[in-house]
Amino acid sequence: QVQLVQSGAEVKKPGASVRVSCKTSGYTFTTSDINWVRQAPGQGLEWMGWVHPNVGKTGFAQKFQGRVTFTRDTSITTAYMELTSLRFEDTAIYYCARGGLSGEFDFWGQGTLVTVSS
Amino acid sequence: QSVLTQPPSVSAAPGQRVTISCSGNTSNFGSNFVSWYQQFPGTAPKLLIYDNSKRPSGIADRFSGSKSGTSATLDITGLQAGDEADYFCGTWDSRRNVKVFGGGTKLTVL
Repeated sequence: QVQLVQSGAEVKKPGASVRVSCKTSGYTFTTSDINWVRQAPGQGLEWMGWVHPNVGKTGFAQKFQGRVTFTRDTSITTAYMELTSLRFEDTAIYYCARGGLSGEFDFWGQGTLVTVSS
Repeated sequence: QSVLTQPPSVSAAPGQRVTISCSGNTSNFGSNFVSWYQQFPGTAPKLLIYDNSKRPSGIADRFSGSKSGTSATLDITGLQAGDEADYFCGTWDSRRNVKVFGGGTKLTVL
């Protein structure tokens, strides 16, 4: 069965960087893009961007330009999201989600809480 | 402020039917599929509907979706207490080149 398992919670200071991993299994890693979505406490879903594991092509929401990087390691079927220059408002649960054929997100990781606190 | 507009909350009694609306504009709903997600507190969202009206394997036929013009709806019939959750719609916005979501609707089963 398809599974996406994310790394554990992080606490970071403002200005620091965080990297979240998303280990996938149960399907061919290189055939579907991995999206990153975040959810601030009590808020809705916010799409950050995607990486296609096959060639490493990425896309991202303009809001995160210059601060976010999406990578992958095909040898261990894992995708990564790195966010730099963290701000208090980056405190959120970060999810990875597999992209379906029509752009839907058909399988999700369990989420990683990133807390930005001084 | 979310790009797609959903009612903040809806409620209905067990066994009843509820409809959750999601409205957008031509740059997102115009030529893109809508998907719906169910999220219980403290858990990740789960795909409920894709391609406007299709259900993934394992999703009960009590859940159905439709799209018309620049709006979409999620219908839930035969409401159960276990349906209490937040529901989000999502689609691609071709003008902004981003995936957009509604603000979410909290369903309460009375």
